[in-house]
Amino acid sequence: DQQVKQNSPSLSVQEGRISILNCDYTNSMFDYFLWYKKYPAEGPTFLISISSIKDKNEDGRFTVFLNKSAKHLSLHIVPSQPGDSAVYFCAARSDQTGANNLFFGTGTRLTVIP
Amino acid sequence: NAGVMQNPRHLVRRRGQEARLRCSPMKGHSHVYWYRQLPEEGLKFMVYLQKENIIDESGMPKERFSAEFPKEGPSILRIQQVVRGDSAAYFCASSSGRANSPLHFGNGTRLTVT
Repeated sequence: DQQVKQNSPSLSVQEGRISILNCDYTNSMFDYFLWYKKYPAEGPTFLISISSIKDKNEDGRFTVFLNKSAKHLSLHIVPSQPGDSAVYFCAARSDQTGANNLFFGTGTRLTVIP
Repeated sequence: NAGVMQNPRHLVRRRGQEARLRCSPMKGHSHVYWYRQLPEEGLKFMVYLQKENIIDESGMPKERFSAEFPKEGPSILRIQQVVRGDSAAYFCASSSGRANSPLHFGNGTRLTVT
């Protein structure tokens, strides 16, 4: 049962342009959402998060948007840089239920072309 | 390095042997999580522990797998009588346990069963 879905396995973007990575979830109890970046042979690195009380959170070149009614979130990277090339995982959990474990999507491989 | 430390980075075991994976959480963190990533898949939750307690093991296979987080020392994920299907990357993460706090991951242990 995949509660967090990333339907695009890969995305290619030209350097300097915007990268938009999408994520959908099914569990309406989720109230905290995160994006992780993963390079080969390394662990996931926390990138940015958003609480369900917000619809946008921005940190430098990275912005996460949350649409609760659509159960959809997205990560925008602008401008994209070659160093952003990695696999991006969307994750979610329900802090209200006290269940601290994260549910992950299957990832989107972003390639930024110089 | 105050990050999450996992060892070994690579582990090769023959079928039927035991595998022990270790994880030291980030300094100040008392919540530990184990995730498994199979090839071409996302991270799957296995178990969530606090010191000397298993909080949620809903993602653990019923047989051969066990985890502990003793009062002193690292968390251990133990796989008995390994089979080829256990070959995967095993990631440990830690958190402070506070609401809206991210999980921080180690670089993983890549288990290969021959």
